[in-house]
Amino acid sequence: KQEVTQIPAALSVPEGENLVLNCSFTDSAIYNLQWFRQDPGKGLTSLLLIQSSQREQTSGRLNASLDKSSGRSTLYIAASQPGDSATYLCAVDTDKLIFGTGTRLQVFP
Amino acid sequence: GAVVSQHPSWVICKSGTSVKIECRSLDFQATTMFWYRQFPKQSLMLMATSNEGSKATYEQGVEKDKFLINHASLTLSTLTVTSAHPEDSSFYICSAQDRLLDQPQHFGDGTRLSIL
Repeated sequence: KQEVTQIPAALSVPEGENLVLNCSFTDSAIYNLQWFRQDPGKGLTSLLLIQSSQREQTSGRLNASLDKSSGRSTLYIAASQPGDSATYLCAVDTDKLIFGTGTRLQVFP
Repeated sequence: GAVVSQHPSWVICKSGTSVKIECRSLDFQATTMFWYRQFPKQSLMLMATSNEGSKATYEQGVEKDKFLINHASLTLSTLTVTSAHPEDSSFYICSAQDRLLDQPQHFGDGTRLSIL
């Protein structure tokens, strides 16, 4: 059974810091891995999608890497801003999405 | 970009009533739609997967008679919570996907359901 875990569960940092969010999964048989952002009481915003054959994807200040063999992905946020405050979820696609436990990020001015 | 509209965004009702939530894909054909449930400070849990014109496939532990799913067209799926009780209060999110084009899932904004 696929299990997805995210570390840390919560993170509070001053703005300007570079951040690394971690995601691990137990079964490497995945089609892709996605990172999402969720604001309180809202739906999901897709940030990055990495196909199983890819190693990383970049969008603006965000960079996500994937090491399928070791069952790990990281989301790197450069020069964090208060507007980045949200919950970040990773999800692996095994013909259905299995979501991680999430990292609640707070960036304070 | 692909847009998924979910309605209503928030509903409060009395225990025992049935509540219907709609999920529409506005600018693409959704061959498959998914329904998720999210409790406070927890992650999304898949409830069921529905393919257009077919019966939904429910995840283990999800009561199919409690959560009725209809996916009668390529742009609309509905989730009906029958005889809702306070323990059904949760945040429900749908997603839609065009599997023929191998597209990723696109998510609605969610429905906050509160049963009194």
